[in-house]
Amino acid sequence: GAVVSQHPSRVICKSGTSVKIECRSLDFQATTMFWYRQFPKQSLMLMATSNEGSKATYEQGVEKDKFLINHASLTLSTLTVTSAHPEDSSFYICSARYSLEAFFGQGTRLTVV
Amino acid sequence: KQEVTQIPAALSVPEGENLVLNCSFTDSAIYNLQWFRQDPGKGLTSLLLIQSSQREQTSGRLNASLDKSSGRSTLYIAASQPGDSATYLCAVRRPTDKLIFGTGTRLQVFP
Repeated sequence: GAVVSQHPSRVICKSGTSVKIECRSLDFQATTMFWYRQFPKQSLMLMATSNEGSKATYEQGVEKDKFLINHASLTLSTLTVTSAHPEDSSFYICSARYSLEAFFGQGTRLTVV
Repeated sequence: KQEVTQIPAALSVPEGENLVLNCSFTDSAIYNLQWFRQDPGKGLTSLLLIQSSQREQTSGRLNASLDKSSGRSTLYIAASQPGDSATYLCAVRRPTDKLIFGTGTRLQVFP
């Protein structure tokens, strides 16, 4: 199957700083990528849809200025958590669709201290 | 609004048992349904994809069925092994291209 790579897998940052998470499709081009957030023992919550060359589409209740998404190329989307606070600590996962199937990155565990 | 529910929420079985995990969805207007596996602290691994026009898909010891009219899908795991222990998630893809995830089933297979 297709491979989606996410980096970093873990990051710890201080409150007030910004953190960038990268999502790459390694062996296919993805015009659309998806960013999810997952709380402990809960399912995935879609945050936004990242579109190559245009603005991301955010789900209701997701702060656009807090979670900046850039999809500058057909193989790379980035999620930047700006001015992070402890409540932003979570597991973030990206996804891209290849043919009819969705493939996911390994996830990023963000801890804000 | 599409809602996806999985039953049971948790399951603990001895090695060798055949298992059935259930997934139900409220809106039958779906493109496809996908089953995933998630290990603790990891991303999702795609297991099976069923198109809305299909009834079932098989891969090794896994078999997934889809009854779109009744809003149900089942994942059958034959001869379970400790390595099958994980959380299993089903997700339906809507015409808007979004995946709607179920609540998940945490499976533990003990030797």
